[in-house]
Amino acid sequence: SQKIEQNSEALNIQEGKTATLTCNYTNYSPAYLQWYRQDPGRGPVFLLLIRENEKEKRKERLKVTFDTTLKQSLFHITASQPADSATYLCALPGGYNKLIFGAGTRLAVHP
Amino acid sequence: DTEVTQTPKHLVMGMTNKKSLKCEQHMGHRAMYWYKQKAKKPPELMFVYSYEKLSINESVPSRFSPECPNSSLLNLHLHALQPEDSALYLCASSQAGFPTSNQPQHFGDGTRLSIL
Repeated sequence: SQKIEQNSEALNIQEGKTATLTCNYTNYSPAYLQWYRQDPGRGPVFLLLIRENEKEKRKERLKVTFDTTLKQSLFHITASQPADSATYLCALPGGYNKLIFGAGTRLAVHP
Repeated sequence: DTEVTQTPKHLVMGMTNKKSLKCEQHMGHRAMYWYKQKAKKPPELMFVYSYEKLSINESVPSRFSPECPNSSLLNLHLHALQPEDSALYLCASSQAGFPTSNQPQHFGDGTRLSIL
C-alpha cells in the first residue's frame, strides 16, 4: 500500500541555520508533491507544490527538491527564524481528487 | 485570517445531540473537503465535493452527513456521535472541481469537537 514517511521526531535547530526536512514515500509514482505548514490549533497552510519534472523549486527562504528515483522530497528553510517553528506536512496525490498527508515533522527554531 | 471560514470554533456535544458544522469560502473554488484530525496525527480525508456533488466518501460512518447547499457552503451534520469522534474537523477548498490532487488546498482553522 502507499506509504509516506516523515521524521516523527522533532527537529531542533539554532536560529540562522538551515532546516532540512525529509519526506519519503513508497509504492507511489506521484506526478507532484505538496508541502504544508501547520501551527498548533490552526489548519494547514499551503507552501509549495513541486512537479516530478521540476527537481527543485524555491519560494523566498524555502526550497523543495523532488527525487523520483530516491522517492524522496527534501524541504529546506534557510536562515531559519523562531517564527518558522511549526509542523511541516508533505502531501501526495492519493487519486484524482485526494491528497494523502504524511504525519509531519515538528520544527523548533531556538534563538 | 484564513479565506475559508469555519463555525463554530469549538463545540461540545453529548452523544445524543444533533449539531452541524459550517464551512464557507468565497474564492470561487469548485472543490470542497472535510477532514478529521486527531492530536499529533495528519488530517484524514472524510468527504470531497466537486461542483457541489459528493465525489468521495472515505467510508465515513453515517452519523456524519455532509451537505453542499451551494458552491460556497459546506455543512457537516452530526448525530449520535461517539467519544472517539472527538477531534479537529477541518474544511478545505481548491480551485478546480476535478481533478484536485494537483492543486493547493486552502484550509480553515477547524472546529474543535468534543463528545461527552
